Amino acid sequence: DAGITQSPRHKVTETGTPVTLRCHQTENHRYMYWYRQDPGHGLRLIHYSYGVKDTDKGEVSDGYSVSRSKTEDFLLTLESATSSQTSVYFCAISEPTGSYYYEQYFGPGTRLTVT
Amino acid sequence: GENVEQHPSTLSVQEGDSAVIKCTYSDSASNYFPWYKQELGKGPQLIIDIRSNVGEKKDQRIAVTLNKTAKHFSLHITETQPEDSAVYFCAASTGGNQFYFGTGTSLTVIP
Repeated sequence: DAGITQSPRHKVTETGTPVTLRCHQTENHRYMYWYRQDPGHGLRLIHYSYGVKDTDKGEVSDGYSVSRSKTEDFLLTLESATSSQTSVYFCAISEPTGSYYYEQYFGPGTRLTVT
Repeated sequence: GENVEQHPSTLSVQEGDSAVIKCTYSDSASNYFPWYKQELGKGPQLIIDIRSNVGEKKDQRIAVTLNKTAKHFSLHITETQPEDSAVYFCAASTGGNQFYFGTGTSLTVIP
């Protein structure tokens, strides 16, 4: 499981409230990602990080922000949650395989419901 | 950017039969193609991958084929078992840190 944990695993929140999801890894991986998973859409990239304080946007970044102040933690924040952000959120890391290629591994996910 | 299409979205097979899931990609620069299995309530797990310099790769009952000319790759599961029931995702990468996923195939193996 590449040493990835996510917290909380389940959360229900109300529209308009801020929410922060945490991804923690124990194996010093440089690259970390946040995806959302919705029926019919597969996995879509929200934000990713290539090092401490180095982050970039993915294809569905609107309404989300991230921070990475330590190698092991990558936080995803919904500043003001909306019902369209109800989803399952996955954190991932990628690690080099000794050449140009990277393998990606996922955490267990956080199910977020915005009412 | 890369566009990955996956078919079928659902697949039911009898136990012991084979299952095939197909994906196409659009970016000819993609050169790494992983497959993931996701069981209910869990994160996707990497089960097999193939790189562009290889046409086929096999691991026990699972095999993946790649046709770079046609830009498609497939997952083959032989002698299916009930524990193979899951959602399977294909993905494509240009070899760096950007991964593009298909929309998933829900496989049901009927005992």
